[in-house]
Amino acid sequence: TQLLEQSPQFLSIQEGENLTVYCNSSSVFSSLQWYRQEPGEGPVLLVTVVTGGEVKKLKRLTFQFGDARKDSSLHITAAQPGDTGLYLCAGEGWGSNYKLTFGKGTLLTVNP
Amino acid sequence: GAVVSQHPSWVICKSGTSVKIECRSLDFQATTMFWYRQFPKQSLMLMATSNEGSKATYEQGVEKDKFLINHASLTLSTLTVTSAHPEDSSFYICSARSFPVGGQRMSNYGYTFGSGTRLTVV
Repeated sequence: TQLLEQSPQFLSIQEGENLTVYCNSSSVFSSLQWYRQEPGEGPVLLVTVVTGGEVKKLKRLTFQFGDARKDSSLHITAAQPGDTGLYLCAGEGWGSNYKLTFGKGTLLTVNP
Repeated sequence: GAVVSQHPSWVICKSGTSVKIECRSLDFQATTMFWYRQFPKQSLMLMATSNEGSKATYEQGVEKDKFLINHASLTLSTLTVTSAHPEDSSFYICSARSFPVGGQRMSNYGYTFGSGTRLTVV
């Protein structure tokens, strides 16, 4: 069974601060995906990283995929109250076993 | 982009009754859909993988007879919670891999999720 350790589980910060969320595993994934979920809604894809060492930027969000494709991080610069939500990392399996394994999620609260 | 329509968005039912949740891929064909369960402030737990035209694959610990999955077409999968009990109350979400017909990956492919169904069993 592939497991993804996501940390921290809860994070409460002030507007303007920076933060990093980590996702680690002992398994190698074909891709790693980051989602954001609002209460009462389904997760929405933020980014998919596929290549080891890959870095993707989405405005104030920076995503990294580790060289060994086992870990990833999400860094948010100058957080805003609108960034509040549940952030989920998910690793995709290989070949016919391409289902997603989710981390436990990081509940982020950005206070004005 | 790919859209998965899920309904109902919420349902309240009596103990012992059955509830059906539908998930449709609107602009792409989904040979495989996934059904998740989520408790408040927790992550998603995969319940089963639904394959068009064949039996669903259930995760360990998920009762097949209680959570019936049907995937009769390339755009529709349903989850029926049978003989519901209060402990079945949860947020149920479906997803599909957003590969359009022909298997070409979109530029930022991933899994498209439905908006979820809040089930309350009283």
